[in-house]
Amino acid sequence: KQEVTQIPAALSVPEGENLVLNCSFTDSAIYNLQWFRQDPGKGLTSLLLIQSSQREQTSGRLNASLDKSSGRSTLYIAASQPGDSATYLCAVRNNAGNMLTFGGGTRLMVKP
Amino acid sequence: ETGVTQTPRHLVMGMTNKKSLKCEQHLGHNAMYWYKQSAKKPLELMFVYSLEERVENNSVPSRFSPECPNSSHLFLHLHTLQPEDSALYLCASSQGDNEQFFGPGTRLTVL
Repeated sequence: KQEVTQIPAALSVPEGENLVLNCSFTDSAIYNLQWFRQDPGKGLTSLLLIQSSQREQTSGRLNASLDKSSGRSTLYIAASQPGDSATYLCAVRNNAGNMLTFGGGTRLMVKP
Repeated sequence: ETGVTQTPRHLVMGMTNKKSLKCEQHLGHNAMYWYKQSAKKPLELMFVYSLEERVENNSVPSRFSPECPNSSHLFLHLHTLQPEDSALYLCASSQGDNEQFFGPGTRLTVL
């Protein structure tokens, strides 16, 4: 059974810092990995999708990497802003089926 | 957020009530999903519909009953719920195995 873990559970940084969020998964037979952002009480916004054959994806100040063999992904946020404050979720889709397995999320606070 | 819509956004119901949650996607996708997000627990997949057929049901209690009348609409019928069913219920859609897009969720409180 796939298990996804995100560390740290919460993170507080001053504005302008570069930061890294971590995601690890136990079963490396994945189809893809997706990073989401969730604002309090709201739905999820997809940030980046990495296919199993890819090593990284970039969108603006965000860069996500994938190391399938070690069961890890990182989300790098450059020059953080207060508007980046949210919970960031990592989700893995295994090779079999449509099921996404989510991590518990990292709650990020960027202070002005 | 406008690609996948959910109604109502908030719902309070008693344990003996029957209610339904509605989800609609305007993205032309062929798969739709119901997820449950409880406090302090990771998002859990409840149901998957692909091409209007239910593909997965992760042992969800029968008091939750999904319905997918067409590829754009998904319902979750609720009856005789328990207080521990209070959660944020999220709908998502995708084209096959591709990226999933989520709705804003329905915040459900069971009294």
